[in-house]
Amino acid sequence: GAVVSQHPSRVICKSGTSVKIECRSLDFQATTMFWYRQFPKQSLMLMATSNEGSKATYEQGVEKDKFLINHASLTLSTLTVTSAHPEDSSFYICSANQRRYDEQYFGPGTRLTVT
Amino acid sequence: AQSVTQPDIHITVSEGASLELRCNYSYGATPYLFWYVQSPGQGLQLLLKYFSGDTLVQGIKGFEAEFKRSQSSFNLRKPSVHWSDAAEYFCAVGASGTYKYIFGTGTRLKVLA
Repeated sequence: GAVVSQHPSRVICKSGTSVKIECRSLDFQATTMFWYRQFPKQSLMLMATSNEGSKATYEQGVEKDKFLINHASLTLSTLTVTSAHPEDSSFYICSANQRRYDEQYFGPGTRLTVT
Repeated sequence: AQSVTQPDIHITVSEGASLELRCNYSYGATPYLFWYVQSPGQGLQLLLKYFSGDTLVQGIKGFEAEFKRSQSSFNLRKPSVHWSDAAEYFCAVGASGTYKYIFGTGTRLKVLA
């Protein structure tokens, strides 16, 4: 149980375009989802926390207009990188949480490359 | 403020040797503690977790960790390392109620044949 999927696993896009990454909880309802960013050989940095039906809470230094997060249902959150630039190239990982438990379940990650 | 420190950036051990990866945390209350492993290009796999109770926690793949409140530590151990254990290991602290994690910087494990 507690499986989280991400789609796509890899994406290459051109500079200036937008890319959407989906995060789904497959067998549970995720009241909260988290989006992380991981640069090569570095740790995970929390970008934002999203609760179903409400606006995401962004961590300090994360541009909310660039990284649009939508948590429209209890099983789906999306991260849209708008007007992507090469410096946005990174590994993006989502996780999901059931509110009554304090554990996050992580997706397999999405490798974004902006050319 | 909460923080997690993994003092060792890289560790190299021989196959069959014992392993200990260090993790120190700073948190005002009893934390929720986690160890994750990440292979290159992959997501995170949970090795073990501590919420409460017995301070010695058993995990998957033969790993264990001990919560020591007096030392603010949650070190990961394995008695005999296998070549397949080579990966990046992350310690994380979770805050009750916020459900947010703070990750350590990671320790990259290399295993010599």
